[in-house]
Amino acid sequence: EAGVTQSPTHLIKTRGQQATLRCSPISGHTSVYWYQQALGLGLQFLLWYDEGEERNRGNFPPRFSGRQFPNYSSELNVNALELEDSALYLCASSLLQGNQPQHFGDGTRLSIL
Amino acid sequence: SQQGEEDPQALSIQEGENATMNCSYKTSINNLQWYRQNSGRGLVHLILIRSNEREKHSGRLRVTLDTSKKSSSLLITASRAADTASYFCATDDTGANNLFFGTGTRLTVIP
Repeated sequence: EAGVTQSPTHLIKTRGQQATLRCSPISGHTSVYWYQQALGLGLQFLLWYDEGEERNRGNFPPRFSGRQFPNYSSELNVNALELEDSALYLCASSLLQGNQPQHFGDGTRLSIL
Repeated sequence: SQQGEEDPQALSIQEGENATMNCSYKTSINNLQWYRQNSGRGLVHLILIRSNEREKHSGRLRVTLDTSKKSSSLLITASRAADTASYFCATDDTGANNLFFGTGTRLTVIP
């Protein structure tokens, strides 16, 4: 069974640009989650999608947005990039039911110059 | 912030010894999960313990949960060099599936 895949592995942008990160969940999983792991800030929840709908959102500005496609894959878009957006962005997937483990991809390392 | 805290921040032990990591959290939970992260990579799910469970085992892992103290511990027995990683506890959000992660414990197992 293929795990969660994320692309690209690395992404280098400059301030003010826009970045798009992609995630494919484990087959059968309908829920996709995005987390940011920035140096010194730990792992923080960004967004949760299920069945194409945004289910919950973390404490991030609106320039962080995303969507989930009918095949349950997901995109995270970050507009007007700032230096502090440099981080490892992790995607996870799970079944919708409560008390389920989340399975993570290896992440996209976003560097803002 | 709902983020939990882990203790210690860093732990260094000899191969074969046991490692214990502790996690404290702030809100009521449905479950608590432990994850491992090798340097710069994604998280690997280790174990999930529900709020009505007190102890759970998986191989060399033993997790306890004390909801009255809002704390959990992860014990790794007979540690191996391959156990070197960061370990995070995570709790679910109220009425939502997303997780809040602790600050992590960096474990180094010396061969």
